[in-house]
Amino acid sequence: EVQLVESGGGLVQPGGSLRLSCAASGFTVRGNYMSWVRQAPGKGLEWVSVINSGGGTTYYADSVKGRFTISRDSSKNTLYLQMNSLRAEDSAVYYCAREVAGWYFDLWGRGTLVTVSS
Amino acid sequence: QSVLTQPPSVSGAPGQRVTISCTGSSSNIGAGYDVHWYQQLPGTAPKLLIYGNSNRPSGVPDRFSGSKSGTSASLAITGLQAEDEADYYCQSYDSSLSYVFGTGTKVTVL
Repeated sequence: EVQLVESGGGLVQPGGSLRLSCAASGFTVRGNYMSWVRQAPGKGLEWVSVINSGGGTTYYADSVKGRFTISRDSSKNTLYLQMNSLRAEDSAVYYCAREVAGWYFDLWGRGTLVTVSS
Repeated sequence: QSVLTQPPSVSGAPGQRVTISCTGSSSNIGAGYDVHWYQQLPGTAPKLLIYGNSNRPSGVPDRFSGSKSGTSASLAITGLQAEDEADYYCQSYDSSLSYVFGTGTKVTVL
């Protein structure tokens, strides 16, 4: 079955760090552009970061640039998001999503909740 | 930060037709980038509904249709059904090398 499963969310204090994982099955992450998209409670969708199929190019939203790092492990077929210097406004459900040619997302995980609070 | 503007809510009776607008700018929709639409049922992840302005993925009913013109796009739902009650988001690409989403529209079936 083709699916994405996120994990690693939880409660973290402001200024802390967290690493999210997204395990893919039924396809390879290295063959696709992969993104993280987040949704704060009761709010809309916000794109966070993307990594290209080659793995050598990454882009970030201005709101997370310099604090978050996207990466992947092809041997584990897993996408990651390292989040440092977390702020309250980073609290959200984080989804990983597969991108297809045309800059849209055809497959989404169920998401993992990150709460930044003291 | 959302750069595509949608109405916060639309509503209609079962069987009616409703439309959702999505307004962008010259750096995204107006630059020629396609518009895509997602449906998010309560408590679930977004699901691709329309891609490439007007194309439906396999399994999406033909009650859903999309169009694009200039710096705007729209999603139409004809023959509205109770299971269509959800949040809907448009999405495009921006020349600033980022993906942009709409502000989201809640569809209520009266």
